Amino acid sequence: DAGVIQSPRHEVTEMGQEVTLRCKPISGHDYLFWYRQTMMRGLELLIYFNNNVPIDDSGMPEDRFSAKMPNASFSTLKIQPSEPRDSAVYFCASSNPERYEQYFGPGTRLTVT
Amino acid sequence: AQSVTQLDSQVPVFEEAPVELRCNYSSSVSVYLFWYVQYPNQGLQLLLKYLSGSTLVKGINGFEAEFNKSQTSFHLRKPSVHISDTAEYFCAVSESGSEKLVFGKGTKLTVNP
Repeated sequence: DAGVIQSPRHEVTEMGQEVTLRCKPISGHDYLFWYRQTMMRGLELLIYFNNNVPIDDSGMPEDRFSAKMPNASFSTLKIQPSEPRDSAVYFCASSNPERYEQYFGPGTRLTVT
Repeated sequence: AQSVTQLDSQVPVFEEAPVELRCNYSSSVSVYLFWYVQYPNQGLQLLLKYLSGSTLVKGINGFEAEFNKSQTSFHLRKPSVHISDTAEYFCAVSESGSEKLVFGKGTKLTVNP
């Protein structure tokens, strides 16, 4: 298995632009998680899905952030408009139910100038 | 709500020395506990997990952790570290039966020759 796939690996954009991060979970995993990692705040859970349905989005910082999972093999995290404080590494992870083992992708390093 | 405190942000040790990385959690309900490792420029990888049963849990790469309910701790140990163990280690907690993880701020382990 190729593991969790994220794209792009690096994204540099200007303030005000729309940013879309993509994730392909491991086949057969029912849960998908989006995290943000910064030096100041550490690793934060933004949102997670079960069977393509958002379960908990309480970690989404504000309305500029949105996430979708149109099918079992694809999810997006969108930031519109982006701001410099959104600069971070964004991770996607997936897991099987009741195994409690999250598999992380390599992350997308986002820089907003 | 759960929270995790990793008491040491950085731990330097010499190769072949033993190491203990400390983790304390706070929760009003029963919990599952985890340790993840992050190598530079990579996603997180599960080292070990405690769900129930024996309080001494063995993981990959020779690591082990002990769940102490009275002390609300889940410290990670390795009797003899290698240069390749240099990484950041994250303790995480979830409510029993929940897939949602809360991570600590991480401990950077540096193994020196």
